[in-house]
Amino acid sequence: ELKVEQNPLFLSMQEGKNYTIYCNYSTTSDRLYWYRQDPGKSLESLFVLLSNGAVKQEGRLMASLDTKARLSTLHITAAVHDLSATYFCAAIMNYGGSQGNLIFGKGTKLSVKP
Amino acid sequence: EPEVTQTPSHQVTQMGQEVILRCVPISNHLYFYWYRQILGQKVEFLVSFYNNEISEKSEIFDDQFSVERPDGSNFTLKIRSTKLEDSAMYFCASSQRQGEEGNYGYTFGSGTRLTVV
Repeated sequence: ELKVEQNPLFLSMQEGKNYTIYCNYSTTSDRLYWYRQDPGKSLESLFVLLSNGAVKQEGRLMASLDTKARLSTLHITAAVHDLSATYFCAAIMNYGGSQGNLIFGKGTKLSVKP
Repeated sequence: EPEVTQTPSHQVTQMGQEVILRCVPISNHLYFYWYRQILGQKVEFLVSFYNNEISEKSEIFDDQFSVERPDGSNFTLKIRSTKLEDSAMYFCASSQRQGEEGNYGYTFGSGTRLTVV
């Protein structure tokens, strides 16, 4: 059974600081997804990481994937208040032949303070 | 940009009543999903649907739940006899078939907040 673990679950940052959110998954999953969720809102797709060593960047966020370590990271550079949200990673269950089902981590609630 | 549409946005129902949550997936998507999120908790997979049948379902998706694609556009989740613990946000999602285009994205709707009283 695929399990996805995120840490930390809560992160309070000061503006301008850097930090990394970690996402470990328990069995083989060749794709890893990162989503952002604002309170009461839907899931906004941030990144899809498709292969070992993949790195993607959008603004102050950068995501990477190490399939051998079963680890993905979401790095935040020079945080700003607008990044305050909950960030979820999700791995794929039953990949290979079918589209697969997303299995989510518990989420990291990020709060960026001035 | 195409989007997944869910209705209603909020539904309040009495315990024991049946509810139907509705979703209109993106028109050229072939895979459909329901997820739920209890307030403040993680997003949990319920069921996936492809080619007019269930592909996978989780332990949460018991006999009280059913899904249907009654026409070419709607995808519904029915809860036969709601319980207090069914109170959650329910998200519908859809995706294209994985193919040469390499589109692996899942698009989520804005959710239906179900409150069982």
